[in-house]
Amino acid sequence: NAGVTQTPKFRILKIGQSMTLQCAQDMNHNYMYWYRQDPGMGLKLIYYSVGAGITDKGEVPNGYNVSRSTTEDFPLRLELAAPSQTSVYFCASSYGRATEAFFGQGTRLTVV
Amino acid sequence: GQQVMQIPQYQHVQEGEDFTTYCNSSTTLSNIQWYKQRPGGHPVFLIQLVKSGEVKKQKRLTFQFGEAKKNSSLHITATQTTDVGTYFCAVVGGSQGNLIFGKGTKLSVKP
Repeated sequence: NAGVTQTPKFRILKIGQSMTLQCAQDMNHNYMYWYRQDPGMGLKLIYYSVGAGITDKGEVPNGYNVSRSTTEDFPLRLELAAPSQTSVYFCASSYGRATEAFFGQGTRLTVV
Repeated sequence: GQQVMQIPQYQHVQEGEDFTTYCNSSTTLSNIQWYKQRPGGHPVFLIQLVKSGEVKKQKRLTFQFGEAKKNSSLHITATQTTDVGTYFCAVVGGSQGNLIFGKGTKLSVKP
């Protein structure tokens, strides 16, 4: 099992550009999450999904979009990148409600 | 929405000293999880507590869930340099069970 795989690991974007952060898990988990972590700070929930076709906003959804067309994949879309979106993005998955979450290695995004 | 307060934000200890971080909620929790994030790494699950008053141990780490299920603590006995990192508590929030993290306690250990 690869677990949770995030790509890319690093990316530099110019202001106004768009990109998609990829996340895939091979554990047949129902729940998937996207968090952002600013330097020295905690994890803020952007979006989450409890199953294919179901997504919901977290604490900081503005400027982001997600989709969950399959159980395995949960891409995060950034439209019109802004410097405030400079952060480390973590994707995570868990089997069910209140079960252990497995994290990907993270994507370090810089918007200049 | 569900929130948890975690204290302290930072803790600097000498190697061999003990360390404790606390997680507090204003509402009763169904369960609480603890994670560790090494510098430059990703959060890794440590443990989940479910029962009122529950105490679990993992080697030098002791996890406790309060009797009222509104607070939890993680205690490390005789810290080592390998304990360096940020420790997060996490709780299930919302009707669908999204996972909400505390702000974390960053532990540094001086050899």
